Amino acid sequence: EAQVTQNPRYLITVTGKKLTVTCSQNMNHEYMSWYRQDPGLGLRQIYYSMNVEVTDKGDVPEGYKVSRKEKRNFPLILESPSPNQTSLYFCASRLQGALERDGYTFGSGTRLTVV
Amino acid sequence: SQQGEEDPQALSIQEGENATMNCSYKTSINNLQWYRQNSGRGLVHLILIRSNEREKHSGRLRVTLDTSKKSSSLLITASRAADTASYFCATDASGGSYIPTFGRGTSLIVHP
Repeated sequence: EAQVTQNPRYLITVTGKKLTVTCSQNMNHEYMSWYRQDPGLGLRQIYYSMNVEVTDKGDVPEGYKVSRKEKRNFPLILESPSPNQTSLYFCASRLQGALERDGYTFGSGTRLTVV
Repeated sequence: SQQGEEDPQALSIQEGENATMNCSYKTSINNLQWYRQNSGRGLVHLILIRSNEREKHSGRLRVTLDTSKKSSSLLITASRAADTASYFCATDASGGSYIPTFGRGTSLIVHP
């Protein structure tokens, strides 16, 4: 089944403890993105990648890192999480050859709580 | 920055009625997309309309695009309780990198 898989689904952590949220897609998509969703603010883009080894900052990149060493994986790294990073996170991917036909395929989300 | 803004923020209707939600955006676009999100879940892409298209249909969905007014509408006909969700518009800006910018969404409740 074509999908974007995020792990974990839920995570509670303490301030300052490094964590990684994994994202993997099996559709050979070039484009991948991370969003965070907060009440009243909609979806805000954190980082995106247009292909392997190509990443760029989105609207809210502070406090986050990403890497794109392989086409299928796009992990989100929080080196020193803080409570204001408590949010619902989504990974999404898109096929370059279908940019004028299809939107993003989203993962199921990761609900992160930083205490 | 958020490009698309949906209106209304919330909409409550009875099953069988039509639901219309609107999206306004600020800059020139290549295309506009509509997504649905069930509570706490990932967004699902519904339909994409290109900047040179004015109307598009998919099942019970009808999307219009008016580039002169920088606005789009999503019409769901004969709504069902299962249509209860949040609906988001997103735009791919002209000359951009095809990384869509999302609005804040319209929350639709369809009462059985």
